[in-house]
Amino acid sequence: EAGVAQSPRYKIIEKRQSVAFWCNPISGHATLYWYQQILGQGPKLLIQFQNNGVVDDSQLPKDRFSAERLKGVDSTLKIQPAKLEDSAVYLCASSLDLGASSGGRHEQYFGPGTRLTVT
Amino acid sequence: QKEVEQNSGPLSVPEGAIASLNCTYSDRGSQSFFWYRQYSGKSPELIMFIYSNGDKEDGRFTAQLNKASQYVSLLIRDSQPSDSATYLCAVKRGFKTIFGAGTRLFVKA
Repeated sequence: EAGVAQSPRYKIIEKRQSVAFWCNPISGHATLYWYQQILGQGPKLLIQFQNNGVVDDSQLPKDRFSAERLKGVDSTLKIQPAKLEDSAVYLCASSLDLGASSGGRHEQYFGPGTRLTVT
Repeated sequence: QKEVEQNSGPLSVPEGAIASLNCTYSDRGSQSFFWYRQYSGKSPELIMFIYSNGDKEDGRFTAQLNKASQYVSLLIRDSQPSDSATYLCAVKRGFKTIFGAGTRLFVKA
């Protein structure tokens, strides 16, 4: 079974530039997550999709971050304009989880991540 | 109070010893509890999950859950240098999962 794919693996941009990340989840996984992980911290959820609907985007800085999951499969996360504090690893994960209806017992599978450096 | 708390460490243990990692959580309605291992520069990978009070064993790993006291722990027996990593506790209720900041474990050869 193929894992979660992400690209690019590394990206260096200057502040105020824009950047986009792509994620292809494990086939059949209904739920897709984007996390931001700053060095020394745990993953922080930015947005969670179930199929192509947003379940939780409460921690997404909507003035500069956007995400979409067209057709309930691939997803893109965009930052525009980037700030220095956006330097982090952006992790995509997927899960069979359907929330309460599946008992919430499914683990997440993470992609390799994209390391973003904003200079 | 953080929703999921872990001691950041580093926790240093000699090879062959038992490493004990702890996690406390604030939401009494939490249903599922996961331990992920994250090597430096890599993404998290699942080690164990537990839903019911008590112990769950898988090889050298044992997860312990006490819902009344709102803590979950991970024991690693016969620790190996390859176990050196950050261990993330994740707590789930419904569709919402919250990760702790992780505990760094260092196993000395």
